[in-house]
Amino acid sequence: QSVLTQPPSVSGTPGQRVTISCSGSSSNIGTNSVTWYQQFPGTAPKLLIYSSNQRPSGVSDRFSASRSGTSASLAISGLQSENEADYYCAVWDDSLNGWVFGGGTKVTVL
Amino acid sequence: EVLLLESGGGLVQPGGSLRLSCAASGFSFGTYAMTWVRQAAGKGLEWVANMNGSGERIHYADSVKGRFTISRDNAKSTLYLQMNSLRAEDTALYYCAKDMGGYYFYGMDAWGQGTAVTVSS
Repeated sequence: QSVLTQPPSVSGTPGQRVTISCSGSSSNIGTNSVTWYQQFPGTAPKLLIYSSNQRPSGVSDRFSASRSGTSASLAISGLQSENEADYYCAVWDDSLNGWVFGGGTKVTVL
Repeated sequence: EVLLLESGGGLVQPGGSLRLSCAASGFSFGTYAMTWVRQAAGKGLEWVANMNGSGERIHYADSVKGRFTISRDNAKSTLYLQMNSLRAEDTALYYCAKDMGGYYFYGMDAWGQGTAVTVSS
């Protein structure tokens, strides 16, 4: 049982916009910035979003994110087959004094 | 280019020990916090431990506290994870990751390819 709750899977057709939710609490998302990671099978995770809504250099602007209260979300616009991957939210938890990850969401392009 | 190369994984019996290493290059190692994250086969990411750049801020997941020790040698640009009293549930791929922050923790912007640890008799 993860501290952060994500849907196990989301799917969409090419070109569609999909969103992934990440629900936490006042000790994590409610207080600290959220990060998002993308992971393809057999490879290491890659930072997609930091400071809740900032993209590192080189990350497509089709990825966007937001945070409100104790929840956060990641959106992928103009969905492409290359976006099929697992996506994880993560945030520092002040009560646990450590990083907490969501359980991960598998994005499927139909 | 930031490079992180983990080593030291392998097969160990329950109750045994292993020491993982992560050799870093391409950035000023001592300036940044470093993190260990693990992933069991077919499962999600689990934070294990982290340490700030100068080594005075150290944190552990409850699941490894008292058994694992994170350390770093800034002169050698190397991060370590000493794992004792290993259990079957510690079986996972262990990733070393660089944090964007030095004293505070902002997120992991570079990851190694991981080293596999299997705890089994």
